[in-house]
Amino acid sequence: GDSVTQMEGPVTLSEEAFLTINCTYTATGYPSLFWYVQYPGEGLQLLLKATKADDKGSNKGFEATYRKETTSFHLEKGSVQVSDSAVYFCALFHTGTASKLTFGTGTRLQVTL
Amino acid sequence: SQTIHQWPATLVQPVGSPLSLECTVEGTSNPNLYWYRQAAGRGLQLLFYSVGIGQISSEVPQNLSASRPQDRQFILSSKKLLLSDSGFYLCAWMASFSTDTQYFGPGTRLTVL
Repeated sequence: GDSVTQMEGPVTLSEEAFLTINCTYTATGYPSLFWYVQYPGEGLQLLLKATKADDKGSNKGFEATYRKETTSFHLEKGSVQVSDSAVYFCALFHTGTASKLTFGTGTRLQVTL
Repeated sequence: SQTIHQWPATLVQPVGSPLSLECTVEGTSNPNLYWYRQAAGRGLQLLFYSVGIGQISSEVPQNLSASRPQDRQFILSSKKLLLSDSGFYLCAWMASFSTDTQYFGPGTRLTVL
């Protein structure tokens, strides 16, 4: 079955540091890939997505590239802010089905001044 | 634009009591609807999804049930809560089979004592 593996957290960075959160997946076919962000006490917000190989999703300074050859979708940001502190979830989905997003376990990011 | 509501926002219930959580979506018709649970410090687990009124698919057998009495209303219920039912419950919607993005509500924090 499908699965998503994320690097374990927490990840602690100083403000303006470079961020990478690794995500790899196992799936048949060509799923769409997502990053969701969850701020404390809130639901999940879609951060970015990519629907096919070599697509780059980007939003709010975050980027991730769909790498079919390495089955990866790593999240990056050049300069993090304290307000980026949250839990980040990588997920995949097969378009054309009604079924579930397959999530990773989430990576907590803590950004300090 | 579409919005998704969940209530209550927080709930504290004794073991053995009943449960009813409600989710409604505005601004779209015939959405796919989902209930997820997030246990403390863990990822998201899909509980139920629905592609139409009265159509419910269960992903995990347990003492919870779901119903969809109206097109944009999704209800999560239990007759007798267990301690293990504590968690953060998230409702999500997706436009149709032809899309791939799920959008999440603000969540309900359930504590069973």
